[in-house]
Amino acid sequence: DTAVSQTPKYLVTQMGNDKSIKCEQNLGHDTMYWYKQDSKKFLKIMFSYNNKELIINETVPNRFSPKSPDKAHLNLHINSLELGDSAVYFCASSQSETRGETQYFGPGTRLLVL
Amino acid sequence: GDSVTQMEGPVTLSEEAFLTINCTYTATGYPSLFWYVQYPGEGLQLLLKATKADDKGSNKGFEATYRKETTSFHLEKGSVQVSDSAVYFCAAKGPGNKLTFGTGTQLKVEL
Repeated sequence: DTAVSQTPKYLVTQMGNDKSIKCEQNLGHDTMYWYKQDSKKFLKIMFSYNNKELIINETVPNRFSPKSPDKAHLNLHINSLELGDSAVYFCASSQSETRGETQYFGPGTRLLVL
Repeated sequence: GDSVTQMEGPVTLSEEAFLTINCTYTATGYPSLFWYVQYPGEGLQLLLKATKADDKGSNKGFEATYRKETTSFHLEKGSVQVSDSAVYFCAAKGPGNKLTFGTGTQLKVEL
């Protein structure tokens, strides 16, 4: 009964390809997030959705496009992959977007672009 | 915008030693403060949190107190174990609803 799940866990692909990462939460939360963790472990938010609406969109290249088909899912599609996209991508969810809410993280998707 | 500064690692300790990982924040208003832990190959897990000044968060022997006057949220544990080896992230969430993380501090505990 995994709370926040992501697929795939590992993704190795060539430069220029298009790939998607899927995220699902079974916690009944309203808000979901995508984070990128670089090789130095630095974590930065990319996007946040609340009730399927985009509420945070950081300065991320427009090759990255999130999609939330429903409250329980937030997918990340990446076009024309570049070497610098290699990182670990974490999905997270929280009950709401209020400041005290805990975010629950998925296990991460390790993307390697060759 | 908000920022979080935490001590650089790695921190290497012997088992049963006392642990302190410093964290300070810069934020508008009074953010909520969190410590997350990342074990090797895993995602982040909430360790503890505090949502207002002078609150103390605690879990699994770890503690941190929200100090408004020093804008700090230092993580402490009286006696670390090998199983505590992980990367620890301090984070702040203010009115902008973004969770801002520090750079992470790797802790290695040796026998």
